[in-house]
Amino acid sequence: GNSVTQMEGPVTLSEEAFLTINCTYTATGYPSLFWYVQYPGEGLQLLLKATKADDKGSNKGFEATYRKETTSFHLEKGSVQVSDSAVYFCALSDLRTGSARQLTFGSGTQLTVLP
Amino acid sequence: DAGVTQSPTHLIKTRGQHVTLRCSPISGHKSVSWYQQVLGQGPQFIFQYYEKEERGRGNFPDRFSARQFPNYSSELNVNALLLGDSALYLCASSLEGFTNEKLFFGSGTQLSVL
Repeated sequence: GNSVTQMEGPVTLSEEAFLTINCTYTATGYPSLFWYVQYPGEGLQLLLKATKADDKGSNKGFEATYRKETTSFHLEKGSVQVSDSAVYFCALSDLRTGSARQLTFGSGTQLTVLP
Repeated sequence: DAGVTQSPTHLIKTRGQHVTLRCSPISGHKSVSWYQQVLGQGPQFIFQYYEKEERGRGNFPDRFSARQFPNYSSELNVNALLLGDSALYLCASSLEGFTNEKLFFGSGTQLSVL
């Protein structure tokens, strides 16, 4: 079956520090990969996505590259801000799971950025 | 335009009771999905509905059921509540429900079972 493994949290950084959140996946088909962000009291928001190997998703200074050879989709940002404090979820959607749009999520990584 | 709206925002029930959670998708969206998010974990897929038909079901017991109405809104029903059903229940909508479409999530219903 499909699964997503994220680095254990929480992660605490100072403003302007470099961020990496590791994500690896297991899938039987050809998954699309996503990063979602959840701010306190809110639902999940799509941050970025990549649909095939070597694709790079990017948004709001965040980047992640779909690495099929290492089954990874690590999230990076060069300089974090206090407003980036949130929970980040890596997720996959397998094109071969039939017609259902089913996302498989990792357990989430809590990021706190200190001023 | 309004986003995905869920009601109620918070709910407290006791073991054995039944609960109904409601979701209104973004206008024009025909697909609704439900996810369960237990504290400290990632969301888990429960159901997807498209055009009032169940398109997919996750690994949840038959106590969980759902339906979609002609206006594309949806209800999630849980019978015989257990303590372990305490979670944030998220609803997500999309235009057609295909694999690479963007999903829009609501803020969720926080269910506490005592």
